Amino acid sequence: AQTIHQWPVAEIKAVGSPLSLGCTIKGKSSPNLYWYWQATGGTLQQLFYSITVGQVESVVQLNLSASRPKDDQFILSTEKLLLSHSGFYLCAWSLRTNNNQAPLFGEGTRLSVL
Amino acid sequence: GMPVEQNPPALSLYEGADSGLRCNFSTTMKSVQWFQQNHRGRLITLFYLAQGTKENGRLKSTFNSKERYSTLHIKDAQLEDSGTYFCAARGTNAYKVIFGKGTHLHVLP
Repeated sequence: AQTIHQWPVAEIKAVGSPLSLGCTIKGKSSPNLYWYWQATGGTLQQLFYSITVGQVESVVQLNLSASRPKDDQFILSTEKLLLSHSGFYLCAWSLRTNNNQAPLFGEGTRLSVL
Repeated sequence: GMPVEQNPPALSLYEGADSGLRCNFSTTMKSVQWFQQNHRGRLITLFYLAQGTKENGRLKSTFNSKERYSTLHIKDAQLEDSGTYFCAARGTNAYKVIFGKGTHLHVLP
């Protein structure tokens, strides 16, 4: 069974509309969670990370927010989408008890803002 | 400069050829990961290194923290090796991972 699940798989949204992307981790207790963004043809930029429920650290400001409402859930959102938000969003996790573990990535969500 | 500098940006190889990719780091990094990203965007972890060298089939990776670089060597390139390869490194903050700009690899028949 897949440990990390992202939803939706793809979204087409209008500029100015709200966005909510989700990431769920199954079967792992208190994981570290991460959000990454990749512009088309570009590299990955880390957006946020979270070590525990209710605590989120911002790495890059892109007019996006993240929240961790439950131990196994990480949400990326914004009230108003910009054209520049288009791209590929990846969630990742690692074990809190092992800082030497490499983050493992989900399948990603492809977002097109029109 | 950039914390993680990856070269070359693009690479074309004929099947059966060998080649290498390299990432240089502007500061001391604690670990490095190498990924292949397929056409669907899926990131496939190739290696994770805290030091030294690892091999897996036709792939070999080295990380030298003191000299601030990591390499990925591809031997006997195959068509399915085509894709984008990224290195990603972690420094003193274990929760921040910095990616290189990627190498677009095209293996030609």
